[in-house]
Amino acid sequence: QQQVKQSPQSLIVQKGGISIINCAYENTAFDYFPWYQQFPGKGPALLIAIRPDVSEKKEGRFTISFNKSAKQFSLHIMDSQPGDSATYFCAASETGANNLFFGTGTRLTVIP
Amino acid sequence: NAGVMQNPRHLVRRRGQEARLRCSPMKGHSHVYWYRQLPEEGLKFMVYLQKENIIDESGMPKERFSAEFPKEGPSILRIQQVVRGDSAAYFCASSPLDRAYGYTFGSGTRLTVV
Repeated sequence: QQQVKQSPQSLIVQKGGISIINCAYENTAFDYFPWYQQFPGKGPALLIAIRPDVSEKKEGRFTISFNKSAKQFSLHIMDSQPGDSATYFCAASETGANNLFFGTGTRLTVIP
Repeated sequence: NAGVMQNPRHLVRRRGQEARLRCSPMKGHSHVYWYRQLPEEGLKFMVYLQKENIIDESGMPKERFSAEFPKEGPSILRIQQVVRGDSAAYFCASSPLDRAYGYTFGSGTRLTVV
């Protein structure tokens, strides 16, 4: 079964707008939540990650919001740019684990 | 300082043939992880290896798939007697740690079975 559920499947945003991608999980043992960005023909690249001891983490235009009680986390891309057009994956893992559980991905298109 | 190198980038095999996918980790990384990405799906863990050891193969299909990471040379993911359902992108990641954080992914091998 899908350990991490991601939505929406695709997203179209105007340049300068805010892109929001949501993920939910069931396993309360998960304590590491990264987001990956993947361009066509390339491997996923780590964008930003959060642990459940904080509710928000910001790096430049990218922010992760984390709601431990709801078991949800989201990626916000502020001032979205055409260069942000890519597929975004959320993922989760637990302490001591050596593998990540990935969401199914969101294909973001930013229109100029 | 090269990243994770995977080759070939694209591989076409006929049903029943063997596919060999290679992965050279980043310099200084001794932990290698293989993931498979099916069309319109996220990446799914297959196997985790250290030099000469398979540490976790819980995501590997029970038949036809094998992996190795020899003392010298790249890690190899081997798929015997390929079937159409094996068509996917196969990604390798390396890490300096035996943990899920710190991954660096390669650009993947896109396997097409015809």
